[in-house]
Amino acid sequence: GQQVMQIPQYQHVQEGEDFTTYCNSSTTLSNIQWYKQRPGGHPVFLIQLVKSGEVKKQKRLTFQFGEAKKNSSLHITATQTTDVGTYFCAPRYNNNDMRFGAGTRLTVKP
Amino acid sequence: DTAVSQTPKYLVTQMGNDKSIKCEQNLGHDTMYWYKQDSKKFLKIMFSYNNKELIINETVPNRFSPKSPDKAHLNLHINSLELGDSAVYFCASSQDYSVPSYNEQFFGPGTRLTVL
Repeated sequence: GQQVMQIPQYQHVQEGEDFTTYCNSSTTLSNIQWYKQRPGGHPVFLIQLVKSGEVKKQKRLTFQFGEAKKNSSLHITATQTTDVGTYFCAPRYNNNDMRFGAGTRLTVKP
Repeated sequence: DTAVSQTPKYLVTQMGNDKSIKCEQNLGHDTMYWYKQDSKKFLKIMFSYNNKELIINETVPNRFSPKSPDKAHLNLHINSLELGDSAVYFCASSQDYSVPSYNEQFFGPGTRLTVL
């Protein structure tokens, strides 16, 4: 079946350090979305990647979609305490099926 | 105005009871979803409706029954509640699930269900 692996499950960083979460699929994706959920909050859409090799930036966040459209990453440069939360990838398959990854829980020590 | 609203926000109930969670979206979206988030933060899709028609029906106990009276509302009814049903339930909506560029999901604030 269609599966996605998101790693790592947890990441603890010192404020100012970089952070990366990865999402890997066993099958080719139609596109992939990323969401952020703050503690006690609800998931909030961050971005959607569609094209092979696509790279998008939002301030300190950089999103990449692999050339084969099977993997994606979210990189945060110089983390801040406001970056705390769980980051989910949400790959969409060619049959319109969409699933959420297990999430990466980021904690930032000031 | 809240785009996607859910009621109640908290629900504490005894095992064996029947309860409902309501969801409304004022975004004019065609597609609505129910997700269950457990204590490990896994977001598991349960159901999805597009224009009041069921399009995703994951493997969930048949004690869970969604109802969509119109495309702005998707309610979740749970019969004979069990301890394992304790979780946060999120409602979400998107413009049109079948169009990739219209599939950004907007989530409600969640309903924290505790079964004692």
